[in-house]
This record gives sequence, structure tokens and C-alpha cells, in this order.
Amino acid sequence: AQSVTQLGSHVSVSEGALVLLRCNYSSSVPPYLFWYVQYPNQGLQLLLKYTSAATLVKGINGFEAEFKKSETSFHLTKPSAHMSDAAEYFCAVSDGGGSQGNLIFGKGTKLSVKP
Amino acid sequence: DVKVTQSSRYLVKRTGEKVFLECVQDMDHENMFWYRQDPGLGLRLIYFSYDVKMKEKGDIPEGYSVSREKKERFSLILESASTNQTSMYLCASDRDSYEQYFGPGTRLTVT
Repeated sequence: AQSVTQLGSHVSVSEGALVLLRCNYSSSVPPYLFWYVQYPNQGLQLLLKYTSAATLVKGINGFEAEFKKSETSFHLTKPSAHMSDAAEYFCAVSDGGGSQGNLIFGKGTKLSVKP
Repeated sequence: DVKVTQSSRYLVKRTGEKVFLECVQDMDHENMFWYRQDPGLGLRLIYFSYDVKMKEKGDIPEGYSVSREKKERFSLILESASTNQTSMYLCASDRDSYEQYFGPGTRLTVT
């Protein structure tokens, strides 16, 4: 069965510092992988997705993630944190092959950005 | 601009009441989903639907039912609300791509 583990329920960085949010997955089929962001009192918004093309995926707001099959990881990074990045971030994996099926979400990582 | 709307942002109901949460999408998506979100537990899938009048149980369907009479509308029903159903409820839709679009959520409190 597919699953997602996000390491660290809370991450705090200073403004201008590197953001690194960790995600490891398990999947019995080639996975599709996603990062979503949730700002306070809002729904989730897609940041980026990996669907078996380039392993380095660029998303919105300067975020990117690298698919590493050998490490079963899909960590999210941003070179320089901004105050507006404070939000909760969810990693997700598809539960089936191809483009059919559902998403399995991690438990989320809350990012705080200190001035 | 794509949109998923939910009927209420905040809702307070009493134990035992029947509760309806409505979700409408304007993107002509086939697939629609209901999740609940609780601190430390992430998103958990309650029910989903791949077509009109079709429904499938997710991971935590107990105490819930759904209705999809029209393609654009997916309703979540709490037959007899209980305090352990106090949560944030999120609706989402997609078109066979896993790229789900989410509504703003309904924060339900059952007292």
C-alpha cells in the first residue's frame, strides 16, 4: 500500500534562510508525487507535482522538489524563505498507477518564518 | 479561474442533528472528494465519486453518507452528528490527473 511520511510536524526558519521540508513515500507502482500548501483558513493549493518526467520539479512561489527513487524521497526546498511562506505543507502520493485513483496525504508540516 | 465552493465556512450543530455539507465545482470535473482534516492527522478521505450517482467509500466513511445527483455537486451528509465529527471538512475535484482542486473548507463544530 502507498504511504507518505513527512518528517517534522513543525519547521521554523529565519527569513532569507533555506527551506527544506522532508517527504518520504512508499509505493508499489511508479508514483505520482505532489506538494500542496495550505494558508490559514484556506483550502489546499497545488505547489508542484512529479509525474515521471524530469526528476527536478519547479513549482510556484520559488519552490522546487527533487524525486529520488533510490531514497524514496521527494523533499521540498526553497533557497530563501519569505514571511509569506508561513503555512502548512502537505506531501501526497498517488495510490495507483497512471492517472487514475486517489491521493494519499502526509500529516503535514507547519512552516514558521521568523523575521 | 477554476473554482470549488463549499456552502458554509463555519457551521455549529447540535449532537444528533442531520447535517448537510454542499460542494460545487465549475470545472466539469468527473471526480469529487470529501476529506476531513484534523490537527496531526492530515487529510483523511471520507468518500469519493468518479461519476454522477456513483460513490465509493474512502478510509473513514463511518457516520457519513454522500449524494451526487449532478456532475457539479457533491454533498456530504452526517446522518446524526456527534461531537467526534467536529472537524474541518474539505471538498476537492479533479479530472483524472490527481491534480485536485480544493474548496476553502467548512469548519464544523458539533456541541
